[in-house]
Amino acid sequence: DQQVKQNSPSLSVQEGRISILNCDYTNSMFDYFLWYKKYPAEGPTFLISISSIKDKNEDGRFTVFLNKSAKHLSLHIVPSQPGDSAVYFCAASAGTSGTYKYIFGTGTRLKVLA
Amino acid sequence: DVKVTQSSRYLVKRTGEKVFLECVQDMDHENMFWYRQDPGLGLRLIYFSYDVKMKEKGDIPEGYSVSREKKERFSLILESASTNQTSMYLCASSLTGGPGFFGPGTRLTVL
Repeated sequence: DQQVKQNSPSLSVQEGRISILNCDYTNSMFDYFLWYKKYPAEGPTFLISISSIKDKNEDGRFTVFLNKSAKHLSLHIVPSQPGDSAVYFCAASAGTSGTYKYIFGTGTRLKVLA
Repeated sequence: DVKVTQSSRYLVKRTGEKVFLECVQDMDHENMFWYRQDPGLGLRLIYFSYDVKMKEKGDIPEGYSVSREKKERFSLILESASTNQTSMYLCASSLTGGPGFFGPGTRLTVL
């Protein structure tokens, strides 16, 4: 049973517009959420995280929103750039940032068109 | 520049062979991880190590074992490779918590 779901396998966005990547989870014990970005032939790299005590975290062009009641998080990239084209994984864990066990979603492939 | 390196980018093995995947990190991290990535399944944790000679099973440890004799090195062992172990294998490390830095991956094909 997939506890972390990314229902959109792919997304195309024009350069300069907003990219919104979505992630849903089922386990109400999850309290720490992360996004990773993965380029082809490279390992994933950590992008941004959010604790369940917040509903928004921002880092430059990247903002993560958390809606606990809906068990939903989203990653907004504004403005989108061609270099953002990659596969994005969301991940969740229970026990704040100290736990080692992250559950990953299946990924969304973002393509930013120039 | 922090680094996690994996011994091979591509590997082709025969069914029944013993396979070693090596991972080295240069960040003096306590935690090291082995994941496999499969289409439609995301990243799944195989094994985790939080110190030398210490390990914990992840979500899919069957058919795998691990070895951590030195802090910087974490090996994944497939005792008898099978075709369903064809996958992308990713090693990662972190000081605390979950995976912070990933290696580039090893694409293993078992024929």
